[in-house]
Order: sequence, then structure tokens, then C-alpha cells
Amino acid sequence: DAKTTQPPSMDCAEGRAANLPCNHSTISGNEYVYWYRQIHSQGPQYIIHGLKNNETNEMASLIITEDRKSSTLILPHATLRDTAVYYCIVSPTGNQFYFGTGTSLTVIP
Amino acid sequence: NAGVTQTPKFQVLKTGQSMTLQCAQDMNHNSMYWYRQDPGMGLRLIYYSASEGTTDKGEVPNGYNVSRLNKREFSLRLESAAPSQTSVYFCASRTGFPNQPQHFGDGTRLSIL
Repeated sequence: DAKTTQPPSMDCAEGRAANLPCNHSTISGNEYVYWYRQIHSQGPQYIIHGLKNNETNEMASLIITEDRKSSTLILPHATLRDTAVYYCIVSPTGNQFYFGTGTSLTVIP
Repeated sequence: NAGVTQTPKFQVLKTGQSMTLQCAQDMNHNSMYWYRQDPGMGLRLIYYSASEGTTDKGEVPNGYNVSRLNKREFSLRLESAAPSQTSVYFCASRTGFPNQPQHFGDGTRLSIL
């Protein structure tokens, strides 16, 4: 069973920041938070992951709350190509990934 | 750099037929994974191989077998295909160092009539 809860869908205007929330209230101390996205029916694409510190890379930023019970993926300037299903996953080792149904993000022109 | 390559991309089988899905990675990764994705759902782990020579069951292993042929290749076999196994199958790999992410192939779309 997925250990995370995400809203089923969200819209974002093109050029604006997309903020995708994820609740993981039962996260253990050694579990990392991973974010992936899936465009159409392609293979999931890795975006970013972190343990407790905020992380940033060329694709996105990950903000994890101090109690680690929730996180937010931020796409700073959403484009039409960011329309996808976004998955938030928690895992202690990187082996056992449980995908929920994710958030379907639609970027609107 | 091809990453994770899955073959075939599409396949149609009849109930009871057998088939092997192939997966190869060129990233020198230690760990490899097989998932299935049914319509409208997230991916579910079938089997994984944490390192060459080892395999472990995931969430939905029934009806499948796997072989870690070498470090590069990890195959998934359906011995007697059933309509319930109609799905999209994804292979993934990762380095094997703790907490590193998995990287996915583009999938095999399998229909069983």
C-alpha cells in the first residue's frame, strides 16, 4: 500500500510555479522522499529526492517540513511539457517503491 | 547512452501462451526491478534483483518468474499468460547504493486475449 497521499488533480497556468503537495504522516526516520513524473504512458522519470533538508536541482525544488510528515514539489516555471502525473514515494532503501495514483498536473496555456 | 532498454515494446498473446520480457541497462547498475501498471493505477513491484545472483518478490509476484542473467540483463517470464496479466510492464535499475533513485525504461505493452 502506498504510504503517501496526494490530491488527484491540479491545474497550473503556464509560466507560474506549480506546487504539488504530498502527505506522508507515517514516514520513518530513515525513509527518503522521492518524486517521479509520468508523461502519457512513458516510463516514470526521476525528478528529485531528499531526506530532511530542502533539495533543488535543474528540474525542481523539494521542500520537506521539519516534522517530515509532508513535502511539496515545486516546478518554478511550469511549461506545457510539465503536464504529467506526479508521484510522491517514500522508501527506506530505494528498493521497495509503492506508487499511489499520484497527482495529474495540467499546465494551462 | 540508452539507459534502460525493454523489448519488445508491444506484444499480443493468447491465454496460456508463454513469453519472456527482456530488460537491459547500460549504466553499470547493481539493482534491477520489474513493475506492472494497470489502467488508471500506479506501478506495482513484481520482482526485484538487488544485486547479480539475487532476486526477491515484490508486491505482486504470482504468475511471474524472473532471471538475473548477468549484471546488465533482468528478464520477466510469464509461463502461462492470463487475461489478468494484460498490463504495461516497466523495468528499472539503480546503482545499489542506499537511497539512490530508480531509472525506468519505456515499457512493454502486453495484451492477453
